[in-house]
Amino acid sequence: DAGITQSPRYKITETGRQVTLMCHQTWSHSYMFWYRQDLGHGLRLIYYSAAADITDKGEVPDGYVVSRSKTENFPLTLESATRSQTSVYFCASSESAAVEFGEQYFGPGTRLTVT
Amino acid sequence: QQPVQSPQAVILREGEDAVINCSSSKALYSVHWYRQKHGEAPIFLMILLKGGEQKGHDKISASFNEKKQQSSLYLTASQLSYSGTYFCGTVTGTASKLTFGTGTRLQVTL
Repeated sequence: DAGITQSPRYKITETGRQVTLMCHQTWSHSYMFWYRQDLGHGLRLIYYSAAADITDKGEVPDGYVVSRSKTENFPLTLESATRSQTSVYFCASSESAAVEFGEQYFGPGTRLTVT
Repeated sequence: QQPVQSPQAVILREGEDAVINCSSSKALYSVHWYRQKHGEAPIFLMILLKGGEQKGHDKISASFNEKKQQSSLYLTASQLSYSGTYFCGTVTGTASKLTFGTGTRLQVTL
């Protein structure tokens, strides 16, 4: 299917486990982003990537790792999950060459619960 | 630093108008507006670039005051479909990142 997809849509994991959230887009957009959404905080940027093999930190990167070996995929890994990482995670992509000009297309989100 | 949105929540009757404000403590390069319905992903509404540009489509428009480092979203003759949470996102001159505000919850009733 065309567009931007995330998997899994729902995940429950235990404290200390490693978890990987997947994001895939079919548009060949240059930019990809990971956000977390929590009540009272809105959407906060975790990491972003301007192109394959280029990643950079956002506002709240601690405890997360990203990679981007292919343009279409941008996985987010929680190395050792903590309860504070319970959240809804959104992946987004943009075709624009610059963040300031570009509409971002969001995936459906992954609801992660850490017990 | 997150932009500040006001009000935090607003309830309207169908057909009424609303204004949502977004202000930043830093100089703005662009302002982005998104709407998110409950349980869904945010959807893009519009981007405004520095220069005092006003944009709009249908009955939703926005302005950008570069000097005041503010943007306002105008919803006129609101419809039930306008209900949701509206987020402004800002790009400042110091970083090519979009920073979102905490959102304004809008509910339109009959």
